[in-house]
Amino acid sequence: DTGVSQDPRHKITKRGQNVTFRCDPISEHNRLYWYRQTLGQGPEFLTYFQNEAQLEKSRLLSDRFSAERPKGSFSTLEIQRTEQGDSAMYLCASSPSGTTGNEQFFGPGTRLTVL
Amino acid sequence: RKEVEQDPGPFNVPEGATVAFNCTYSNSASQSFFWHRQDCRKEPKLLMSVYSSGNEDGRFTAQLNRASQYISLLIRDSKLSDSATYLCVVLGYMDSNYQLIWGAGTKLIIKP
Repeated sequence: DTGVSQDPRHKITKRGQNVTFRCDPISEHNRLYWYRQTLGQGPEFLTYFQNEAQLEKSRLLSDRFSAERPKGSFSTLEIQRTEQGDSAMYLCASSPSGTTGNEQFFGPGTRLTVL
Repeated sequence: RKEVEQDPGPFNVPEGATVAFNCTYSNSASQSFFWHRQDCRKEPKLLMSVYSSGNEDGRFTAQLNRASQYISLLIRDSKLSDSATYLCVVLGYMDSNYQLIWGAGTKLIIKP
């Protein structure tokens, strides 16, 4: 158990609906990442927070995607007007700052299916 | 060319054998390197960081070759439980920022 939790673990939704996922990182980690992973591919970077500041956002992230980390602890990822191509595993990871700041610990992921 | 490339495999290896696979990266300025393992339908788990001098953790040895821009993972005395997909991760420069860039993974199957 890495200590990163995600909720829900599975989400099935109809095309056009909005969905929101939550990630609770390891408590002492101030870096938080969101990734998307499809079958046979490695995780694809979406966005990154240092405490409550969103420092990086992938160009692949369309305007339908938004992420927040309002108090520098848990984070939410919202997808508006979902499309079938959004079906994937959404992974959250956290890491400490400093020299080990790139060693990431992942949550179990939220598997999204858009019908 | 992809930023980080791996042979997708699968590598089918008998139990007890030694297996090695590489991961190449395109940006010579890349700074940090990691190996993760991912079991089917599970999240990636950090296996080991890769240091410039190479490092070993039990049956696992990771090495970095900056001149040829690749990292390697060697597994000795392979166990059935080593069956997984091994993902390499490189801290590279993409979209005007440093980002952790993931390979697509190498699938390893250890057979009894």
